[in-house]
Amino acid sequence: QVQLQESGPGLVKPSETLSLTCSVSGGSISSNYWGWIRQPPGKGLEWIGYIYYSGSTNYNPSLKSRVTISVDTSKNQLSLDLSSVTAADTAVYYCASVMPGFYAMDVWGQGTTVTVSS
Amino acid sequence: EIVLTQSPGTLSLSPGERATLSCRASQSFSSSFLAWYQQKPGQAPRLLVYGTSSRATGIPDRFSGSGSGRVFTLIISRLEPEDSAVYYCQQYGRSLTFGGGTKVEIK
Repeated sequence: QVQLQESGPGLVKPSETLSLTCSVSGGSISSNYWGWIRQPPGKGLEWIGYIYYSGSTNYNPSLKSRVTISVDTSKNQLSLDLSSVTAADTAVYYCASVMPGFYAMDVWGQGTTVTVSS
Repeated sequence: EIVLTQSPGTLSLSPGERATLSCRASQSFSSSFLAWYQQKPGQAPRLLVYGTSSRATGIPDRFSGSGSGRVFTLIISRLEPEDSAVYYCQQYGRSLTFGGGTKVEIK
């Protein structure tokens, strides 16, 4: 069974870049789509984007200008970079595996909380 | 972007009762791309249903999904105390969006 674990700084300063990593265990990253989703405190879920292991991506249009998702097949990891952050980017960030053909997220990491504050 | 509107916002029911959750889309899309998730406080979401009506691995058969076009439904046939959670629908068109969620409370 695939397991996912997010990691990265819990505190990021405004205008800086938020960078997170998701480690995939129990399976190969080279076999699926992988996504990032976030959830601001007390609010609903927001899709950030997804990536196929080959490198093709699809981003939320509202975040597209600030988001980069990448994969490192040698480390079995995917990464998220979100630039020029503001307090509105404060959220729990989740990585997830995406079911091909259905675009439903069947395995989720536990999430990591990122706060944007000076 | 397809907007998903979930109703009701909150549902308060007793154990054993039937819960009906609605998800309405601003435009039609393929039923292959409609999913439902359950999220309990402090936990990551859990996939319940994908492709409108297919239960994910390990999901009890009291959860069932249906619908097409712009209107989709999740039914929990016999509520149990552990079903207390927020439920989200999600669609994938050219972009992916979530509904605002329905909170299910067990009396």
